[in-house]
Amino acid sequence: AQSVTQLDSQVPVFEEAPVELRCNYSSSVSVYLFWYVQYPNQGLQLLLKYLSGSTLVKGINGFEAEFNKSQTSFHLRKPSVHISDTAEYFCAVSPPNGNNDMRFGAGTRLTVKP
Amino acid sequence: ETGVTQTPRHLVMGMTNKKSLKCEQHLGHNAMYWYKQSAKKPLELMFVYNFKEQTENNSVPSRFSPECPNSSHLFLHLHTLQPEDSALYLCASSATGTGNNEQFFGPGTRLTVL
Repeated sequence: AQSVTQLDSQVPVFEEAPVELRCNYSSSVSVYLFWYVQYPNQGLQLLLKYLSGSTLVKGINGFEAEFNKSQTSFHLRKPSVHISDTAEYFCAVSPPNGNNDMRFGAGTRLTVKP
Repeated sequence: ETGVTQTPRHLVMGMTNKKSLKCEQHLGHNAMYWYKQSAKKPLELMFVYNFKEQTENNSVPSRFSPECPNSSHLFLHLHTLQPEDSALYLCASSATGTGNNEQFFGPGTRLTVL
């Protein structure tokens, strides 16, 4: 079974500063990795995903993440954040076997301050 | 618009009430999910349906009763709930067997049990 650990429950940052949200996973098999964002009073929206190939994945809203197999990490980064990036961010992992087994981390609350 | 709709968006009910949550997906997916999202906790997978058949029940109390009449609709019937059942209930769908595993989420139903 897989599991996901998001190391920071809250990340405050000033507008236009860079940000990194950390995610580590545990799995005995290869995995697919995802980052979702949840804005207030909304469901989860996919930011980006890693299935295979290039370890640097670019997503929507200027976010990117890098898959590091040796460190079992999939950290999310953005070089310059906006106020509108304030939201909850969830890392998720699933096995690449076509079934429905997706595991989510506890989430990281990103707060962008002016 | 995510293609997954949920009604109602907000629900307040007493412990003796019976109510139902509805989810509809317009994406042609074959799998649908119910998740419970409580404050400060990871998303909890409750039920999974594949091609209208329930394939997972994560030890959910019987006061929650799912129903999936077809691949596009999913219901969660609620009765004699407890205050600790207050949470955001999220519905999701995916196309299994595509090798992608991405789940698409609805906006959620905010449930308050008095």
